[in-house]
Amino acid sequence: DIQMTQSPSTLSASVGDRVTITCRASQTLSRWLAWYQQKPGKAPKLLIYKASDLESGVPSRFSGSGSGTEFTLTISSLQPDDFATYYCQQYNQYPLTVGGGTKVDIK
Amino acid sequence: QVQLQESGPGLVKPSQTLSLTCTVSGGSIASSGYYWTWIRQPAGKGLEWIGRIYTSGSTNYNPSLESRVTISKDTSKNQFFLKLSSVTAADTAIYYCARDDYNNKGVDYWGQGTLVTVSS
Repeated sequence: DIQMTQSPSTLSASVGDRVTITCRASQTLSRWLAWYQQKPGKAPKLLIYKASDLESGVPSRFSGSGSGTEFTLTISSLQPDDFATYYCQQYNQYPLTVGGGTKVDIK
Repeated sequence: QVQLQESGPGLVKPSQTLSLTCTVSGGSIASSGYYWTWIRQPAGKGLEWIGRIYTSGSTNYNPSLESRVTISKDTSKNQFFLKLSSVTAADTAIYYCARDDYNNKGVDYWGQGTLVTVSS
């Protein structure tokens, strides 16, 4: 199985901050990586697919980059609605595997 | 807009079989290009992919669960199903059904999730 490592596991930030989350894969993924946002009691919501493609309806302050084994999710200016947990998931190979998550909370 | 809805017992006894149904609306599970997937999340923990089924009926399972998992479908009802046998407390989790746009977006549509507790 491909191991996915996210960092940091927790991130404290303020509204307006630029936030970057990193995801590393144990094998190359090409660009088959997605980012999800999850709020308590809710299903994950797709933000980014194919490493950098923005899902329809997702604000443009979210962006993704990377290829191969290293990827980043950036929130350019953190908004109150963005406090949540973020996951990266690889879909280059089955079984699908997910990073451990990054909880973004209020500083 | 594709919508998915999980249903099934919220409480299962240890050693018994967990059975869930996912009802899909706004799209057909007979459409090519998508897998129909089960994913779970223990309370306060990360996501674990369980397995998937294609329109042809072919399935793939997480090796860690493969000996206990069966995913099937009923195209006429636009439903797919999860059976997990010999459950223990470690199988207590929120279970999600989802659509896997495997050649493009990955897992793009999710159900709301259903909590299944394994307890006597």
